[in-house]
Amino acid sequence: EPEVTQTPSHQVTQMGQEVILRCVPISNHLYFYWYRQILGQKVEFLVSFYNNEISEKSEIFDDQFSVERPDGSNFTLKIRSTKLEDSAMYFCASSEFTEAFFGQGTRLTVV
Amino acid sequence: QQQVKQSPQSLIVQKGGISIINCAYENTAFDYFPWYQQFPGKGPALLIAIRPDVSEKKEGRFTISFNKSAKQFSLHIMDSQPGDSATYFCAADINTGFQKLVFGTGTRLLVSP
Repeated sequence: EPEVTQTPSHQVTQMGQEVILRCVPISNHLYFYWYRQILGQKVEFLVSFYNNEISEKSEIFDDQFSVERPDGSNFTLKIRSTKLEDSAMYFCASSEFTEAFFGQGTRLTVV
Repeated sequence: QQQVKQSPQSLIVQKGGISIINCAYENTAFDYFPWYQQFPGKGPALLIAIRPDVSEKKEGRFTISFNKSAKQFSLHIMDSQPGDSATYFCAADINTGFQKLVFGTGTRLLVSP
């Protein structure tokens, strides 16, 4: 069964450092997303991406965040200068139309 | 108006019992209501979803009941099993092509043997 895969599963970084979270969406999907989940809280929408551009972003997705689809298969989330409050589980998702499928997540710990 | 309110926060059900989780929304533009199941350390997995043109959808032991006038929807898990122990999130979305899911706060379900 096709699935969304994310790497790494766990990333520890120092405050102020840049991190790149990577995702391989399901191959025939057209829409790509990043969500995050702070420990014990609900899942929150960050950004959606379609046709090589951002289609919508939330208030959380400020200038420190960027997304890119560098090739035909990968979808990345970059955080330029990490803050302690960026510590969370980051989920990549993809959809063909409706029904988003989520990856297993990358746990980002900022120390 | 973009919130989805979910209750209860946690739920303990005996094996074989019925688990019921409720959600309510305000935004009448929402027209897609999925439920996600999440196990510890895993991503949310789509369980079942409903659109407002029907009042109920059943898939195996899982049923969504939808009340459009009350702006409420609920998940019923019949014959609950220990393997159902997980966190359940309701969500809502406006069908614009891409998904900007608004999630509820989650319900931690424990099914005791």
